[in-house]
Amino acid sequence: EADIYQTPRYLVIGTGKKITLECSQTMGHDKMYWYQQDPGMELHLIHYSYGVNSTEKGDLSSESTVSRIRTEHFPLTLESARPSHTSQYLCASLHGTAGLAGGNEQFFGPGTRLTVL
Amino acid sequence: KNQVEQSPQSLIILEGKNCTLQCNYTVSPFSNLRWYKQDTGRGPVSLTIMTFSENTKSNGRYTATLDADTKQSSLHITASQLSDSASYICVVSDRGSTLGRLYFGRGTQLTVWP
Repeated sequence: EADIYQTPRYLVIGTGKKITLECSQTMGHDKMYWYQQDPGMELHLIHYSYGVNSTEKGDLSSESTVSRIRTEHFPLTLESARPSHTSQYLCASLHGTAGLAGGNEQFFGPGTRLTVL
Repeated sequence: KNQVEQSPQSLIILEGKNCTLQCNYTVSPFSNLRWYKQDTGRGPVSLTIMTFSENTKSNGRYTATLDADTKQSSLHITASQLSDSASYICVVSDRGSTLGRLYFGRGTQLTVWP
């Protein structure tokens, strides 16, 4: 089992609150990713990082922001949560220079299920 | 447009039976295809990876096939167990960029009944 952790696992908050979803991995992976997944739908990439101080937006537009100050830590922040942010958020990490095209495996965390009332 | 389509959307089988899940893709240029298992409330876990030159690969009771010409893959589960109840996601990686990117299917929700 991969050593990638997400907290909290479940979060119910009111509209307008600021929240931070934590993701950490102990495998020393340089590449990390955030995905958003709604029930019965595919995963959508919202942010990724190829290393410390490197962050990029993914395919799906998101009002969230991320930071990568340490290799092992990749938190996601919502400044003002809205009901449209209700979803499952999955963090993943990847090791190696070959990347996804080279067959390297992404390891996923257990996810955070966010509900905004 | 690069896409990954899975069928059926959901499937219910009895314990001990076999089943086959399908994946069709249009991703190009193709690099590899993975099948992931995602238990409810958990992150996906890789079952198999297949590259262009591979036709069949097994992992215990899971057997994946790939036909790169027709851009189709299947995942066959033998002698199903209750613990096989999960969503099975087909994920295709391209090689259009240096590090590649992933295209996800919506998954097949498998339920195994006793």
